[in-house]
Amino acid sequence: DGGITQSPKYLFRKEGQNVTLSCEQNLNHDAMYWYRQDPGQGLRLIYYSQIVNDFQKGDIAEGYSVSREKKESFPLTVTSAQKNPTAFYLCASTRGGLYGYTFGSGTRLTVV
Amino acid sequence: AQSVAQPEDQVNVAEGNPLTVKCTYSVSGNPYLFWYVQYPNRGLQFLLKYITGDNLVKGSYGFEAEFNKSQTSFHLKKPSALVSDSALYFCAVIQGSNYQLIWGAGTKLIIKP
Repeated sequence: DGGITQSPKYLFRKEGQNVTLSCEQNLNHDAMYWYRQDPGQGLRLIYYSQIVNDFQKGDIAEGYSVSREKKESFPLTVTSAQKNPTAFYLCASTRGGLYGYTFGSGTRLTVV
Repeated sequence: AQSVAQPEDQVNVAEGNPLTVKCTYSVSGNPYLFWYVQYPNRGLQFLLKYITGDNLVKGSYGFEAEFNKSQTSFHLKKPSALVSDSALYFCAVIQGSNYQLIWGAGTKLIIKP
């Protein structure tokens, strides 16, 4: 079955450490997105990519980086510059047009 | 710019009663509207969308939404609530030629037995 896989489900980061969250899709979707969600809050866009080898900053890109070397993959790195990284991270993709998004099941990142 | 408002942070409903989760929008041009649901520690799941046609849209899990152009609203409804409907609900609208979704802040729906 097609879908989006995010890994790991839970991730713990030490202070000053970079960590990378994985997002893989087998839906043949062109566009992919990363969102951050704080407890009980809405979605805030971190980065998005509409095509391989191209991506744009969202509303809260500072302290994060991404790459899009393959259509299927859109990993997110949370760098040490992100001072408050504890949150739930969601990856989504779309074939574009009026189809809406498909979401992964999320990664919960905690700073220890 | 397109925007979506969900005026209620939380909605409480007794099991078996009808429920409504409100959403209003502001767009230039035709509105393309979506509802998603999020259960705890999960990703968002698509419920339904309005693109064109009938103003009453039916979706998953018995939910429906009514598009009202004059009131710029797209409220989510269900005739009889279940405890299992308790979740976080998001309304969204498509913006721009890249078809990016703009999200409301979300409404927490609590169904009490």
